[in-house]
Amino acid sequence: GESVGLHLPTLSVQEGDNSIINCAYSNSASDYFIWYKQESGKGPQFIIDIRSNMDKRQGQRVTVLLNKTVKHLSLQIAATQPGDSAVYFCAENLIPNFGNEKLTFGTGTRLTIIP
Amino acid sequence: DGGITQSPKYLFRKEGQNVTLSCEQNLNHDAMYWYRQDPGQGLRLIYYSQIVNDFQKGDIAEGYSVSREKKESFPLTVTSAQKNPTAFYLCASSPIVWSGADEKLFFGSGTQLSVL
Repeated sequence: GESVGLHLPTLSVQEGDNSIINCAYSNSASDYFIWYKQESGKGPQFIIDIRSNMDKRQGQRVTVLLNKTVKHLSLQIAATQPGDSAVYFCAENLIPNFGNEKLTFGTGTRLTIIP
Repeated sequence: DGGITQSPKYLFRKEGQNVTLSCEQNLNHDAMYWYRQDPGQGLRLIYYSQIVNDFQKGDIAEGYSVSREKKESFPLTVTSAQKNPTAFYLCASSPIVWSGADEKLFFGSGTQLSVL
């Protein structure tokens, strides 16, 4: 079946450095992708999203890159801060303009920022 | 402040007992969802509802039940038929028609359910 997965389960980065979190997806028909941040004991928070007709989208200190050729998604966080420590996971949706019942979530990468 | 409120934050279930997790939203969203999160795993959809008095099974509905009597409320009951209920439960809501703005799915802060 289709799946969304992550290359690395844990990532440690020195404070102030940039971090890159990767996500592989297997459904070439997926049209919309989202990155979430989840702090311990809390619900996921939206970070940034991207549609399949784009290959890059930037937000505040974050950039999402989409490579449809190899079905790969990445989240880049610039100048990491202690507050960036969390689990990050990606999600894909086949039909972005309708309900979320078709969202498929990845397993997550735990990012730890080292002071 | 608008948002989604889940309660309680921690809940314990005895064997054979049904427990109900509360989810309330004041975002005026039509759709509401319940997800289950196990350690080291992604979110899995239990049930969802797109309109009052209607709901649909998600990927792992067995052992769970829901109701949607009011737009603002979508309680989840974990029944005794759910043999492995220990998990972090997340409620979410979204507008039916997405405007294209950044955020389309809003999550509550979760309920950690444990078995005694």
